[in-house]
Amino acid sequence: KNEVEQSPQNLTAQEGEFITINCSYSVGISALHWLQQHPGGGIVSLFMLSSGKKKHGRLIATINIQEKHSSLHITASHPRDSAVYICAVYSNTGNQFYFGTGTSLTVIP
Amino acid sequence: GAGVSQSPSNKVTEKGKDVELRCDPISGHTALYWYRQSLGQGLEFLIYFQGNSAPDKSGLPSDRFSAERTGGSVSTLTIQRTQQEDSAVYLCASSLVGRRSTDTQYFGPGTRLTVL
Repeated sequence: KNEVEQSPQNLTAQEGEFITINCSYSVGISALHWLQQHPGGGIVSLFMLSSGKKKHGRLIATINIQEKHSSLHITASHPRDSAVYICAVYSNTGNQFYFGTGTSLTVIP
Repeated sequence: GAGVSQSPSNKVTEKGKDVELRCDPISGHTALYWYRQSLGQGLEFLIYFQGNSAPDKSGLPSDRFSAERTGGSVSTLTIQRTQQEDSAVYLCASSLVGRRSTDTQYFGPGTRLTVL
């Protein structure tokens, strides 16, 4: 049983499309993070959320604590957005991070 | 400034050998994390260091795994008597303040370990 589930596992989009990646979790959390892992392996932190919504450039992240669900949206997608997007939650009972297996996004020019 | 660095970038070893993986965190970061990423699996927490506090070792999968952090800076992850299932990418991250739930973590490039 995975504490964090992401969907879809793989996603291919045309450049310019609006993209949504979903994350559902089963534990009580104090924070949720979205990470981006590029093909070379480097991981970059995109957002930390504990409630509501955050926006950074073309990226928007939302969280619904009651529904235990978060979404990452990419507007006007670009080939450089191609990466694996990872959802991670910090459990406030286990005091540790749980990670989703990631969503592999490919944006085609 | 420099980011988190890890060495070696790749390590191939034979089953039963010991390996040491090194992490240099960003200067001034008080918290340091080790994770493991196996093929097709999500990131798995291994160990967490925060300042001079006792490390949280709850993620270490067996007593063959150990880690230390000297002088509050460089950390070494040691795997003794390596097994094939230890093959994975080992990632190190550091953060400035040490609030585990909310800190932005800065990840190193990882060490890809292959146990033959």
